[in-house]
Amino acid sequence: EDQVTQSPEALRLQEGESSSLNCSYTVSGLRGLFWYRQDPGKGPEFLFTLYSAGEEKEKERLKATLTKKESFLHITAPKPEDSATYLCAVHGSSNTGKLIFGQGTTLQVKP
Amino acid sequence: EAGVTQSPTHLIKTRGQQVTLRCSPISGHTSVYWYQQALGLGLQFLLWYDEGEERNRGNFPPRFSGRQFPNYSSELNVNALELEDSALYLCASSSGLAVTYEQYFGPGTRLTVT
Repeated sequence: EDQVTQSPEALRLQEGESSSLNCSYTVSGLRGLFWYRQDPGKGPEFLFTLYSAGEEKEKERLKATLTKKESFLHITAPKPEDSATYLCAVHGSSNTGKLIFGQGTTLQVKP
Repeated sequence: EAGVTQSPTHLIKTRGQQVTLRCSPISGHTSVYWYQQALGLGLQFLLWYDEGEERNRGNFPPRFSGRQFPNYSSELNVNALELEDSALYLCASSSGLAVTYEQYFGPGTRLTVT
């Protein structure tokens, strides 16, 4: 069964304190791993798609990496506006249209 | 370019009632997906529509149903509402081509069942 586990559940950082969020996955034939950002009460905002091990994507202070078993979202010198819940999702080999989501990591960045 | 839009923003219903939620995809997208995000739970896949056809449904009872119109907009209907149906209902769209599988989400409809 396809499964996604994110850690930690919650992370508190000081502004400028870099860190990483983890997404471990089990899926039969990965067709894509996705990172989203979700603010309270709003819909998830698309950040990155990763397709194969070794791939990396960057956007401002965020960098996503992928191995065969996990993905990391690295946050460099975060700012308070980076505070949000970060969601990881996978799409398996069958064309089901279904994304399997992790429970998310809630990040709080204090000034 | 306009993103995915959903209406209404908030909705309060009584147990046993029926509700209809609406979604308009990004222009050019033919696939629409529905997800439920209950408090404390992750996003759960509900339905996938593409080119007017239901392509897949998640592990939800038949009282959750929907349809997709010729303009690719979609409705989600929930009959015989139960308290546990209270959640944020999210609609997403994609190009329909099984190339990227990227799904773009709307702002959601917050449903409260009392």
